[in-house]
Amino acid sequence: QVQLVESGGGVVQPGRSLRLSCAVSGFTFSSYGMHWVRQAPGKGLEWVAVISYDGSNKYYADSVKGRFTVSRDNSKNTLYLQMSSLRAEDTAVYYCAKEGTAYDLGGDFDYWGQGTLVTVSS
Amino acid sequence: DIRMTQSPSSLSASVGDRVTITCRASRNIDNFLNWYRHKPGKAPEVLIYYASNLQSGVPSRFSGSGSGTDFTLTINSLQPEDFVTYYCQQTYNAPLSFGAGTNVEIK
Repeated sequence: QVQLVESGGGVVQPGRSLRLSCAVSGFTFSSYGMHWVRQAPGKGLEWVAVISYDGSNKYYADSVKGRFTVSRDNSKNTLYLQMSSLRAEDTAVYYCAKEGTAYDLGGDFDYWGQGTLVTVSS
Repeated sequence: DIRMTQSPSSLSASVGDRVTITCRASRNIDNFLNWYRHKPGKAPEVLIYYASNLQSGVPSRFSGSGSGTDFTLTINSLQPEDFVTYYCQQTYNAPLSFGAGTNVEIK
């Protein structure tokens, strides 16, 4: 069955960096776009970034543009989110999510991981 | 950027009730609108995709409608597991965006 497992969360000081990973199984990873979505404590869902199936297209939320970088290693079935210049407002549970349609962007997110908590605090 | 306005922000209902949640996009998004249910501590799950298509495995009490800028999610006969938070999402273009959420509470 489809599984997405995030890792790499933790407590980090403001201004520092952190890299999240999302290991997937149960589907052909190299055929699907992948997303990062976050939820700050007590807040709603916020889309963060997307990467196309082959890594050729990447898009970001304005709130993270220039600080976060999404990437993927299709040989390792793993999605990444490199976060730098972290701020207190980046504190959230970070989810990875799979595009519902192969070789496309713009559909629903049909599978999600359980999330990893990132806390930015001194 | 496209802004999604979801209403109400919360509502109270009873098991067996029918409820409707609305979502309005700040400009035309055709039918690139999805609905999710999010239980606390769990991963969100898609209920409706492309405005009106029921995701496989989702109970038929959920339905969606709309196109352009105005969309609705209807839940017929609320069940105990439905008392959670719902989000609309536009995937018309990046940056993608979610509505602020609707918390469905037990009356």
